[in-house]
Amino acid sequence: GENVEQHPSTLSVQEGDSAVIKCTYSDSASNYFPWYKQELGKRPQLIIDIRSNVGEKKDQRIAVTLNKTAKHFSLHITETQPEDSAVYFCAASITGNQFYFGTGTSLTVIP
Amino acid sequence: NAGVTQTPKFRILKIGQSMTLQCTQDMNHNYMYWYRQDPGMGLKLIYYSVGAGITDKGEVPNGYNVSRSTTEDFPLRLELAAPSQTSVYFCASSFAQGGTEAFFGQGTRLTVV
Repeated sequence: GENVEQHPSTLSVQEGDSAVIKCTYSDSASNYFPWYKQELGKRPQLIIDIRSNVGEKKDQRIAVTLNKTAKHFSLHITETQPEDSAVYFCAASITGNQFYFGTGTSLTVIP
Repeated sequence: NAGVTQTPKFRILKIGQSMTLQCTQDMNHNYMYWYRQDPGMGLKLIYYSVGAGITDKGEVPNGYNVSRSTTEDFPLRLELAAPSQTSVYFCASSFAQGGTEAFFGQGTRLTVV
C-alpha cells in the first residue's frame, strides 16, 4: 500500500514568519493530496487539496506544491498567526477511496 | 446538514468488555472509513466501506468489526476490549468518484482499563 512520510513532526515559528511542511509518498498512482488541520480536541478539517494534474494551488495565506516526479508535496503557510497553531496532516489517495495519512506536524506560532 | 456524527464522545471500557461506536452521515456519501489516532502516530485506517453491504479491512483491523447495512450508518464494533485499543477513533466519509474531501466526525476518545 501507499506510504506517506511527513516532516517535521514539530515546528515552531514566530508570528508573521512562514511555515513549510513536507510530505513524500510512495505510490505513483496516487492522484489526490489533501491537507488537514486539527485543532486540539477537534476533528481534522480540510484546509487545501491538490490533484495530480496541478503543480501548485494557493488559497490566501496557504499554498500547496506537488512534484510528481519526486513524489513529494508541501504545505506553505505565510504570515503565520497564533490561530494557525494546530496539528497538520498530509494525505495521499487514489480516486478518493483509501486515504493514507502522514504522522502529523504540530505547528506552534509564537506571538 | 449535520455531516458526520459519532457517538459516544468519550467512553471507558474494562478489559474484555465490548462496545459499538456509532457513525452516521447525512451527505449520501458512498465511502465511509474508521480511523484510530494514537499520539504522534497519525491516522491509521481500521476498516472502510465503498457502499452499503461492502466493507474491507484497512491497515489495523484486528480486534474490530464493522457492518454497513445502509448508506448512512457505519458502526464499529470492539469485541473483547484490550488496553492497546485505547485511542481516539474517527469516522469519516467521502464521495466515491475522484479525489474528494473526507469529512470527519468529532471523534470518540476510548480508554480501556
